[in-house]
Amino acid sequence: QQQVKQSPQSLIVQKGGISIINCAYENTAFDYFPWYQQFPGKGPALLIAIRPDVSEKKEGRFTISFNKSAKQFSLHIMDSQPGDSATYFCAARSNTGNQFYFGTGTSLTVIP
Amino acid sequence: GAGVSQTPSNKVTEKGKYVELRCDPISGHTALYWYRQSLGQGPEFLIYFQGTGAADDSGLPNDRFFAVRPEGSVSTLKIQRTERGDSAVYLCASGTGPSGNTIYFGEGSWLTVV
Repeated sequence: QQQVKQSPQSLIVQKGGISIINCAYENTAFDYFPWYQQFPGKGPALLIAIRPDVSEKKEGRFTISFNKSAKQFSLHIMDSQPGDSATYFCAARSNTGNQFYFGTGTSLTVIP
Repeated sequence: GAGVSQTPSNKVTEKGKYVELRCDPISGHTALYWYRQSLGQGPEFLIYFQGTGAADDSGLPNDRFFAVRPEGSVSTLKIQRTERGDSAVYLCASGTGPSGNTIYFGEGSWLTVV
């Protein structure tokens, strides 16, 4: 059972465009929502994260939008660059046991 | 060390053999996680340690998989009687514990069972 559902599976964006990746969850025990970026052959690296009491968080070109009532959150990458080409994972932490659950990933390709 | 260290980075083993994968977490981190990542998939939770004890081992797929963290620092994931389906990247992550939000991953150990 996938605790966090992520879409799309893959995404191709032109340089300078906006990349949008969506995630949804059902478990109301989730209390922290990080996004990770993973390059081939490397471990996932924390990109940006949000708590459910905030509707939006922005760090540079990366923004998380959070809709608590819909149990959905999304990552927006503004002015996408070829160096952003990687796999992105959303995740959610359970406050009942501190486990982190991951989405299935989105492979982003930014075309020059 | 500065980050989470995992060894070996790559391991090829024959079906039926025993394998150990090691994780050295960030110094001072009390929480340690093992995940398994298959090609094109997200990390799949295996086990979570808080200190020396396994706080949650519900993700271990069967009794061939076992993990220890005897001194609350380094952890070893042990796989007995390996099967070809065990081939994956095994990721370790560490964090500051229940009050901490962020977990940091190592580079992973790529296991291939032939």
